[in-house]
Amino acid sequence: AQKITQTQPGMFVQEKEAVTLDCTYDTSDQSYGLFWYKQPSSGEMIFLIYQGSYDEQNATEGRYSLNFQKARKSANLVISASQLGDSAMYFCAMREGRELGSARQLTFGSGTQLTVLP
Amino acid sequence: EAGVTQSPTHLIKTRGQQATLRCSPISGHTSVYWYQQALGLGLQFLLWYDEGEERNRGNFPPRFSGRQFPNYSSELNVNALELEDSALYLCASSSDRGRKSYEQYFGPGTRLTVT
Repeated sequence: AQKITQTQPGMFVQEKEAVTLDCTYDTSDQSYGLFWYKQPSSGEMIFLIYQGSYDEQNATEGRYSLNFQKARKSANLVISASQLGDSAMYFCAMREGRELGSARQLTFGSGTQLTVLP
Repeated sequence: EAGVTQSPTHLIKTRGQQATLRCSPISGHTSVYWYQQALGLGLQFLLWYDEGEERNRGNFPPRFSGRQFPNYSSELNVNALELEDSALYLCASSSDRGRKSYEQYFGPGTRLTVT
């Protein structure tokens, strides 16, 4: 079963509008972390935002916010006031477990290609 | 603060050869992760090193191997290259200690092309 599912291969948004990128996850761990990364065409992965499973409030970082719905196992990224420079591939990722010795690598979804239209 | 660095930027090899990719983590980070991103696909976890030890590996054959040096830099070796090994190889580092230990910072990647 897919651990991270991003159902939107591509999204378009008008400049200055808000856009939501969907992400659902599957884990049996009680403790986990959810991440969003941006990958421009140049290839580097840019960390955007993090949400811990025990965090009571949704994470926010500037124009990025994470709509975390634990019961539904979803962690959607909301980008407000889209800019042309936001055009990129966006990946949702999960790290399971926080206990000492637990695996720490990230599991990534297949990504959503966001295009911001002028 | 310098970010994660990787070398070379591009690498072209022929089938059957060996490739060596290098990664230097952010200063103070002890964990290094390697990921493979084949064209048009998401990232697949390859290897995780921490404090010089291999801590975990993904579902890749043994011809993918690596090591971590005392200065925490890391090497990824791919033996007996196959055409499907062509991909962007990304290295990430984290401190795994402290308040933001969860954050993994990525390097610019090495584009490996196997012909």
